[in-house]
Amino acid sequence: KAGVTQTPRYLIKTRGQQVTLSCSPISGHRSVSWYQQTPGQGLQFLFEYFSETQRNKGNFPGRFSGRQFSNSRSEMNVSTLELGDSALYLCASSFGQQNTGELFFGEGSRLTVL
Amino acid sequence: GNSVTQMEGPVTLSEEAFLTINCTYTATGYPSLFWYVQYPGEGLQLLLKATKADDKGSNKGFEATYRKETTSFHLEKGSVQVSDSAVYFCAPRQTGANNLFFGTGTRLTVIP
Repeated sequence: KAGVTQTPRYLIKTRGQQVTLSCSPISGHRSVSWYQQTPGQGLQFLFEYFSETQRNKGNFPGRFSGRQFSNSRSEMNVSTLELGDSALYLCASSFGQQNTGELFFGEGSRLTVL
Repeated sequence: GNSVTQMEGPVTLSEEAFLTINCTYTATGYPSLFWYVQYPGEGLQLLLKATKADDKGSNKGFEATYRKETTSFHLEKGSVQVSDSAVYFCAPRQTGANNLFFGTGTRLTVIP
């Protein structure tokens, strides 16, 4: 079956702009999580959505937001972009059981902020 | 709070050498433990997991044992191959939640 699909794969923005990234989970998965990967900070958890509700949130400013649709697809938005937002944004989907279960990752959306 | 201390890289080994990548963590409760691998240009893939103390996860010749007493989950492989060159992430799952918290990753390069 199809894996986790993230679009776009690459994008370039300038400071102050906003960006929306999309994630389509594996069919049947109801949980979608987002992570930011940078060389300096490694992989950091942004937030998780389950059945259209944000279930958990990491330590990021309010400029980072997300949502999940009824078909489990998710989007994340970053407003007022800063240079430090340049990163690989990874989406992961799962059935949603807490404490157990595997997360399946997409290939990521690489954002460059100039 | 939750944290992961992972062996600093990069690690360079010759083919067929023995590999150990150390991982220790701090977490509330007894989280499930995962190792993920990221091959060049690809997303993260689950390598192996263990969900309770003394469990051993294994896959593709890699192994890791859940050591509750030392809060460790060290990754080992007896004989590495060039195709094992990748970045390896130790990732406990946050107790009571669905998200993982990651170590900084260890880049492994295997040379022929």
